[in-house]
Amino acid sequence: GENVEQHPSTLSVQEGDSAVIKCTYSDSASNYFPWYKQELGKRPQLIIDIRSNVGEKKDQRIAVTLNKTAKHFSLHITETQPEDSAVYFCARSSMDSNYQLIWGAGTKLIIKP
Amino acid sequence: SAVISQKPSRDICQRGTSLTIQCQVDSQVTMMFWYRQQPGQSLTLIATANQGSEATYESGFVIDKFPISRPNLTFSTLTVSNMSPEDSSIYLCSVVRGNYGYTFGSGTRLTVV
Repeated sequence: GENVEQHPSTLSVQEGDSAVIKCTYSDSASNYFPWYKQELGKRPQLIIDIRSNVGEKKDQRIAVTLNKTAKHFSLHITETQPEDSAVYFCARSSMDSNYQLIWGAGTKLIIKP
Repeated sequence: SAVISQKPSRDICQRGTSLTIQCQVDSQVTMMFWYRQQPGQSLTLIATANQGSEATYESGFVIDKFPISRPNLTFSTLTVSNMSPEDSSIYLCSVVRGNYGYTFGSGTRLTVV
């Protein structure tokens, strides 16, 4: 269906290690895949996004990969720091859905000192 | 990205009353979205508001309960009518520039007693 499946729901990693969050979708018309970070009590903030004509995008310690054939995309955070602790949401949109975002359920990332 | 001013930031309301939430954007945008977010949950789209036309509501949300105004390209309001404790949640407005690049207001934390 339209939903975006996001895993895991909770991820606990040691400070300095890498974290990977994965999302899968079924609508092949999807062409835009953003990732949002939401700290407690704050609004969601866009941290990185990727469009369907690109397979990977990096911004310092954050990267997103997209596999259109398998219909999944992942967020990679390297050298994790305490300030990375937050809830991360993936989403997708397409022209067919009038560019409305379809959201994953979220992943609570905990960075252990 | 657009800057959105949302108010009130929080309110405690008596059941049976109504609350109007406002979002002011620093530039003209075509599409504005209203979301609800329960604690620890993902974002649920209430409706899409385009200037000059009636808002489009998602399944489970109706105009009588959540009337929306969009008088111009920089402003929108969402009213939560005849409130009950089940309406306690965080309400967020969001805008998109072009077809991508969604940004969010700071949210309204509503508690109904």
